[in-house]
Amino acid sequence: AQSVTQLDSHVSVSEGTPVLLRCNYSSSYSPSLFWYVQHPNKGLQLLLKYTSAATLVKGINGFEAEFKKSETSFHLTKPSAHMSDAAEYFCVVSLISSGSARQLTFGSGTQLTVLP
Amino acid sequence: DAGVIQSPRHEVTEMGQEVTLRCKPISGHDYLFWYRQTMMRGLELLIYFNNNVPIDDSGMPEDRFSAKMPNASFSTLKIQPSEPRDSAVYFCASSFGALRNTEAFFGQGTRLTVV
Repeated sequence: AQSVTQLDSHVSVSEGTPVLLRCNYSSSYSPSLFWYVQHPNKGLQLLLKYTSAATLVKGINGFEAEFKKSETSFHLTKPSAHMSDAAEYFCVVSLISSGSARQLTFGSGTQLTVLP
Repeated sequence: DAGVIQSPRHEVTEMGQEVTLRCKPISGHDYLFWYRQTMMRGLELLIYFNNNVPIDDSGMPEDRFSAKMPNASFSTLKIQPSEPRDSAVYFCASSFGALRNTEAFFGQGTRLTVV
C-alpha cells in the first residue's frame, strides 16, 4: 500500500522568509511524487514532479523539492515567500502498479499563510 | 488547449434530486479520474477510466453514484438520489499515460451543495 503524510496542517511564514512544507511517503515500489497547489476556490495546479530523474526538482514560482529515498521524504521549499504563495499545498504519490494505471494518493494538505 | 473543463461550477440541489456532473478532458488524454474533496476526508479517488473504460470504481461510495464515459471527450458523474452528505467539491482530472512520468491535469471542480 502507498501513503503520504504531510507533517504540518498549517504553516505560517513572513513574506520574504523561507518556506518549508514537509512530506513523507511510504511505498513498496519506486514512486513518482508531485506537489500540487490549490488556491481558494480554484482547481489543483501542478507545482513540480519527481519521476526518478534528478533528485532535486525545480518547479514553478520558485519552488523546489528534493527526493530523499533514505528518508522517504519529498519536502517542498522556497527561498523567499510571496503573498501570492498563500494557498493549500498537497503532496501526492503515484506508484507503478502491475497491470493498471498508477493512482494518485493525496496527502491531507498543508495550508500556507504568508504574513506581511 | 483549454484544459480540463467541468460543468457546472456550482450546483445547489435538494435532497433526493438527481445530480449530473460533467467533464471534458484534455484532448488526447487517455486517462480520466473523478475525485471528491471534503474537509473531513480530503481528496479521494472515486473512479478512473482508461480509453473510456472504467478500470477501478472501488472509491465510489455507494450505488447512488455512477459514472460513464461514452467517448474520449466526455464523462459524467451522476448521483441519484442525492443526500446532504454528498456535498463536496468534485474534481475531474485527465492524463496522458498512466501517471508514471506524466501528471494529472485537474479541472476547476464542481462545488455541490445538497440541502
